Amino acid sequence: QKEVEQNSGPLSVPEGAIASLNCTYSDRGSQSFFWYRQYSGKSPELIMFIYSNGDKEDGRFTAQLNKASQYVSLLIRDSQPSDSATYLCAVKFWAGGSARQLTFGSGTQLTVLP
Amino acid sequence: GAGVSQSPRYKVAKRGQDVALRCDPISGHVSLFWYQQALGQGPEFLTYFQNEAQLDKSGLPSDRFFAERPEGSVSTLKIQRTQQEDSAVYLCASSADGNQPQHFGDGTRLSIL
Repeated sequence: QKEVEQNSGPLSVPEGAIASLNCTYSDRGSQSFFWYRQYSGKSPELIMFIYSNGDKEDGRFTAQLNKASQYVSLLIRDSQPSDSATYLCAVKFWAGGSARQLTFGSGTQLTVLP
Repeated sequence: GAGVSQSPRYKVAKRGQDVALRCDPISGHVSLFWYQQALGQGPEFLTYFQNEAQLDKSGLPSDRFFAERPEGSVSTLKIQRTQQEDSAVYLCASSADGNQPQHFGDGTRLSIL
């Protein structure tokens, strides 16, 4: 069974610190990896996506992928109280044919303390 | 529209009633997905359309769940003879094609009494 695992938290960091969110996945045939941010009662919002091993940076966000270790992470630099949300890791597993859906972890709740 | 639009935002139904949830994807997006999100969990895949073709319905939990996208744009998720365990947020997502990132609507929060 394909699985995506996240530490549910809650994770608390002080304002201005680096928040590190981690995700592991079970299947070596995985294709692509996504981080979504979800505020309470709102829809998931795409933050980052990464397809290749290494780091991908976008503003204060950095996604890191290590396919050999089946590990993907999200770093948030200079954390702000507005970053407080649940962060969902999602993986698109290769299943051949027309499979295109995302498999999500249960999310990590992040709180940035002012 | 600018984003994925879902309606209604909230739906309360009595057990045994049928419900219909609507999704209007981003204009021009070929791929459309339905997910179910229980409280405190990540979304779980229900079904996937490419244009009007339903290419994957492996996530639908029972034959009470039915989805359609007859003209390749708006989609409707129908749940017949609702049960309490159907209570969840139903999310719709669309993407330009099956390989592009998915963008989500605000969801429909369904409560079955």
